[in-house]
Amino acid sequence: GQQVMQIPQYQHVQEGEDFTTYCNSSTTLSNIQWYKQRPGGHPVFLIQLVKSGEVKKQKRLTFQFGEAKKNSSLHITATQTTDVGTYFCAGPLGNQGGKLIFGQGTELSVKP
Amino acid sequence: GAVVSQHPSWVICKSGTSVKIECRSLDFQATTMFWYRQFPKQSLMLMATSNEGSKATYEQGVEKDKFLINHASLTLSTLTVTSAHPEDSSFYICSASTPGSYEQYFGPGTRLTVT
Repeated sequence: GQQVMQIPQYQHVQEGEDFTTYCNSSTTLSNIQWYKQRPGGHPVFLIQLVKSGEVKKQKRLTFQFGEAKKNSSLHITATQTTDVGTYFCAGPLGNQGGKLIFGQGTELSVKP
Repeated sequence: GAVVSQHPSWVICKSGTSVKIECRSLDFQATTMFWYRQFPKQSLMLMATSNEGSKATYEQGVEKDKFLINHASLTLSTLTVTSAHPEDSSFYICSASTPGSYEQYFGPGTRLTVT
């Protein structure tokens, strides 16, 4: 069945270091979304990418959607302790409106 | 942004009992809501899609008779875990989208512990 895979599962960085998480889909996606879940919290929407090769930035966060629309990445420059949490990518599940399939998530910890 | 609430935020129940979890969209109407389950350190697994005024659609492997979903109004969906067992202990989260939007707004989740 359809799968969305994310690596790494965990990433521990020193504050100020960069961080990247990668997302790969078994199928071509019409769009990909990224969510952040703080420890003990619920997922919060970060961004959606739609176009092949699209790159979007939000302050220190850079999101990319691959040319084949099967992979994506999230890069954080100069991490801060506020970046701690689990980052999930998610793509449409099948062609059924609104349903999402999530990657396994990458848990980021930042050492001050 | 849109707000989704859930109640209760946590619940402990005895094995064999049923538990109802409510999901409300507070400032928008949601014809569709989604229910997820999340085990510790794991991803969100879609359980079912709740459709206002019609039956819910369940993902493969999710028992519809065990996880009863009712979407009686445009702002409320409920998930009832019937005859709960310890293996049902999990974090249950609902989400909804505002009309015409792709962004999903998640509720704060309900942590269920079955003893």
